[in-house]
Amino acid sequence: QVTLKESGPGILQPSQTLSLTCSFSGFSLSTYGMCVGWIRQSSGKGLEWLANIWWNDDKYYNPSLKNRLTISKDTSNNQAFLKITNMDTADTATYYCARPSQGSDYFDYWGQGVMVTVSS
Amino acid sequence: DIQMTQSPASLSASLGETVTIECRASEDIYNGLAWYQQKPGKSPQLLIYNANSLHTGVPSRFSGSGSGTQYSLKINSLQSEDVASYFCQQYYNYPTFGGGTKLELK
Repeated sequence: QVTLKESGPGILQPSQTLSLTCSFSGFSLSTYGMCVGWIRQSSGKGLEWLANIWWNDDKYYNPSLKNRLTISKDTSNNQAFLKITNMDTADTATYYCARPSQGSDYFDYWGQGVMVTVSS
Repeated sequence: DIQMTQSPASLSASLGETVTIECRASEDIYNGLAWYQQKPGKSPQLLIYNANSLHTGVPSRFSGSGSGTQYSLKINSLQSEDVASYFCQQYYNYPTFGGGTKLELK
């Protein structure tokens, strides 16, 4: 049974760096073809894909946010991470981690999401 | 990036009715399209992938069709549990999502 769960700070101030953790079970990021991605959802911009990290450590970023994003993984602890620098109020959103179907980029398992508010 | 335009933004329908939601891509996405259902306070759930393949466990009243730049999701015989928001997502290029359709009961 595949499960994913996000954790994060809840609230942070403008210009701070957001650090998110995705803890997952039911699959391994050391297995060929496996991947974890991050997607966010805000009332203003809808659903927005942020980044994917693959079993072989290949990383892909949304070009519009690439210079602010860093995705990484800890295979032994079944975790993936996302850092977003220079947070702004426009980054207020629910952040999801999700698993793309093997070999593709649609998401067949999603976490419950974590709400992140950027406010001074 | 590939823009996904979804219509309508909201939709009101009666139980038992057939509902169709459209998604138009800004360029050919070669059937690299998925549909998701999202209920309030929940995460999106995959319904359809590869434009017309039903995800495991999804009721057969849901179906997807289309090609090129035009795709649609059809819900036959609308049930109360289908009240939700629906999103399309292309994955031919880096993933982008449609703006969503909020489906309510009339």
